[in-house]
Amino acid sequence: QITLKESGPTLVKPTQTLTLTCTFSGFSLSTSGVGVGWIRQPPGKALEWLALIYWNDDKRYSPSLKSRLTITKDTSKNQVVLTMTNMDPVDTATYYCAHIEVVAATPDYWGQGTLVTVSS
Amino acid sequence: QSALTQPASVSGSPGQSITISCTGTSSDVGSYNLVSWYQQHPGKAPKLMIYEGSKRPSGVSNRFSGSKSGNTASLTISGLQAEDEADYYCCSYAGNLYVFGTGTKVTVL
Repeated sequence: QITLKESGPTLVKPTQTLTLTCTFSGFSLSTSGVGVGWIRQPPGKALEWLALIYWNDDKRYSPSLKSRLTITKDTSKNQVVLTMTNMDPVDTATYYCAHIEVVAATPDYWGQGTLVTVSS
Repeated sequence: QSALTQPASVSGSPGQSITISCTGTSSDVGSYNLVSWYQQHPGKAPKLMIYEGSKRPSGVSNRFSGSKSGNTASLTISGLQAEDEADYYCCSYAGNLYVFGTGTKVTVL
């Protein structure tokens, strides 16, 4: 059974760096054909892709946010970490991580999400 | 990468069928048969309903079906039920990343 859970601060100040951790079980990020992605959703708005990392450490970023994002994995801990620099109130959102089946190019299992508020 | 275009809202009566469109470009929807659809109830995480354009994960009702023509993918919900009232999002592989749709609120009248 695949499960994912996001963790991190619920409140960050403008200009600070956000660090979110996705802890998962039921799969290994060292297995070929697997990836983990991050997606966010501002309150009342649509989903937005942020970044993803593949089993082979290949990384992809949203072009509009690429300069602010870094994604890494710790296979031994079953964790993926996303950092986003220079946070702004418009970055207030629920942040989700998701398991990706690469062949089907499908984010199939999602975490419950974590709400991050950016405010001074 | 621009978001895929979906109608803001679609409504139908119980038992009816509705279709939600998802329009992209030749760089995403048009290039790959890799569109997925998600159902999201308020305060909940998205749930996968359709993948690879028309395949249903185990446990998803066969009332949900997907298709694609050119740069537009579609999700059809037949035999509409009260529990189908939710937000729906499409998502397409776009080569280097993924792109989501603008979202559609489905209302059961």
